[in-house]
Amino acid sequence: RKEVEQDPGPFNVPEGATVAFNCTYSNSASQSFFWYRQDCRKEPKLLMSVYSSGNEDGRFTAQLNRASQYISLLIRDSKLSDSATYLCVVIEDMRFGAGTRLTVKP
Amino acid sequence: NAGVTQTPKFQVLKTGQSMTLQCAQDMNHEYMSWYRQDPGMGLRLIHYSVGAGITDQGEVPNGYNVSRSTTEDFPLRLLSAAPSQTSVYFCASNQPGTYEQYFGPGTRLTVT
Repeated sequence: RKEVEQDPGPFNVPEGATVAFNCTYSNSASQSFFWYRQDCRKEPKLLMSVYSSGNEDGRFTAQLNRASQYISLLIRDSKLSDSATYLCVVIEDMRFGAGTRLTVKP
Repeated sequence: NAGVTQTPKFQVLKTGQSMTLQCAQDMNHEYMSWYRQDPGMGLRLIHYSVGAGITDQGEVPNGYNVSRSTTEDFPLRLLSAAPSQTSVYFCASNQPGTYEQYFGPGTRLTVT
């Protein structure tokens, strides 16, 4: 089993839809996680952090399910500009998932 | 601030050639890291440094060397390039305790 696993997608959704991605991790001692966004042929950029209490920033909500060892990213009211690949990372291990590709269509 | 800069943007090497990928940051970050990104594999840590003069191996260090003589610079050396090193290489930096990494624009390397 990979240490950090993501559904590669692609997720194709219409504008305005709500979409959620999960990221599972194998190290039960992990405490801290980030979601990064990566546009095509660009570098990753931090989207939001995920700690025990979760995190919300506008249309984006990140949560941690420690019992099942996954984090989630929920995007509400999807915009065309949300089209990107979303990477999760376990901070303690500096391990990234392979990313989930999202395409938002008009 | 320029942030994290990387040169070159693109490079083609023949098997057995050596080269150095340059990385510099102007944010006075203590930590710097090198990753490679391959399709379906995500970012994998090659080497990292927690300060000038200190380096350590990551998940995939074989075939690569690093040094950190200054806070600003963290070059990655390929000693004898192999086709398996064809990848996109990202350099990143961060301050200790914040964990948010700032990435450079990447170097696309092809080894033939």
